[in-house]
Amino acid sequence: KAGVTQTPRYLIKTRGQQVTLSCSPISGHRSVSWYQQTPGQGLQFLFEYFSETQRNKGNFPGRFSGRQFSNSRSEMNVSTLELGDSALYLCASSMQGLTEAFFGQGTRLTVV
Amino acid sequence: AQTVTQSQPEMSVQEAETVTLSCTYDTSESNYYLFWYKQPPSRQMILVIRQEAYKQQNATENRFSVNFQKAAKSFSLKISDSQLGDTAMYFCAFMKHGGGATNKLIFGTGTLLAVQP
Repeated sequence: KAGVTQTPRYLIKTRGQQVTLSCSPISGHRSVSWYQQTPGQGLQFLFEYFSETQRNKGNFPGRFSGRQFSNSRSEMNVSTLELGDSALYLCASSMQGLTEAFFGQGTRLTVV
Repeated sequence: AQTVTQSQPEMSVQEAETVTLSCTYDTSESNYYLFWYKQPPSRQMILVIRQEAYKQQNATENRFSVNFQKAAKSFSLKISDSQLGDTAMYFCAFMKHGGGATNKLIFGTGTLLAVQP
């Protein structure tokens, strides 16, 4: 059974640009959550999608957005990139009714 | 709001020895889960062990066990017979359960564990 797949693995963008990250959950998992990991702020919850609906949202500016498709794949978008957006972005998928979250290997975003 | 605190930024242990990582949390919820996740240099977050708050019995997974003290809001991880492959960052995490809860994990700041040969 394939794990959670995040693409791309590495990304370098310039300030002011926008970026889209992708996450394909484990087959059968309908919940996808996104986390930002930085040395200064640690692991912070961005948002969670379940059956194409945003179910929960963390304390991030509106520049951070996401969506989920009918096949449960999810994308997150960051517009008007800032240097502080440089981070490891982790995606996790879960099956409804179960608490275990399976994580992908993350996308390392560097904003220059 | 819930918070998770890990007061040990770094720890070191000799191979084959036992080490305990500390975690405290704060919540007004009565129904929740606690987790320990491991993040090796590969960056992949891996679930080590899970504890349901309503269970008094401490969870155990092979060499990994927890000491869950609900009244004290403490959740420590004990690693027995430490192996080189246990070298990683360990995160304690909280998840609310029930009552419209979602799969939102609240993480501590992590403890970097180094297992020495």
